[in-house]
Amino acid sequence: DAGVIQSPRHEVTEMGQEVTLRCKPISGHDYLFWYRQTMMRGLELLIYFNNNVPIDDSGMPEDRFSAKMPNASFSTLKIQPSEPRDSAVYFCASSNREQFFGPGTRLTVL
Amino acid sequence: KNEVEQSPQNLTAQEGEFITINCSYSVGISALHWLQQHPGGGIVSLFMLSSGKKKHGRLIATINIQEKHSSLHITASHPRDSAVYICAVRSESVATGNQFYFGTGTSLTVIP
Repeated sequence: DAGVIQSPRHEVTEMGQEVTLRCKPISGHDYLFWYRQTMMRGLELLIYFNNNVPIDDSGMPEDRFSAKMPNASFSTLKIQPSEPRDSAVYFCASSNREQFFGPGTRLTVL
Repeated sequence: KNEVEQSPQNLTAQEGEFITINCSYSVGISALHWLQQHPGGGIVSLFMLSSGKKKHGRLIATINIQEKHSSLHITASHPRDSAVYICAVRSESVATGNQFYFGTGTSLTVIP
């Protein structure tokens, strides 16, 4: 298996633009997690899914953030409109027990 | 107050030294994770613990549920162990469901 796949790996955008981050989990994993990492706040869990259903989105910072998992092999995290303070590395992870992390998407909002 | 506290924040060791990183938490947990993040940014899950001890190669992780404390040990440390080590816990409650809390990480540098 190729592991958890995230795209794009790097994204630079301007304030106000919509950003969509993509994740393909490891086949057979029931859980999918979206994390955000910044220097100031460290690693934070944004939302996680179990069998494609969002279980806990209490970590989503505000309504500008939304996540979907239309099927077991794909999830998106969308930010609309983006702001400079959203600049961070966004990780996707999948698991049945141990979590396997994707390489992350480094987002810079100018 | 952070639900998960790690110590030390930074650690420098000579190659070959025995290393201990500590994690204390204040919530009831169902599982504790040790994560490793290399300078390139990638994150690897090292251990998931709910009790006792686990060993993988030169890495050992222990947890004491009563004391709400976990340790990650590295024996015969090597420069390639240089990374940030993050402690994370999953807490379950009737009121809040599953919650995840993260330590701020311990930055380890192993000098040849």
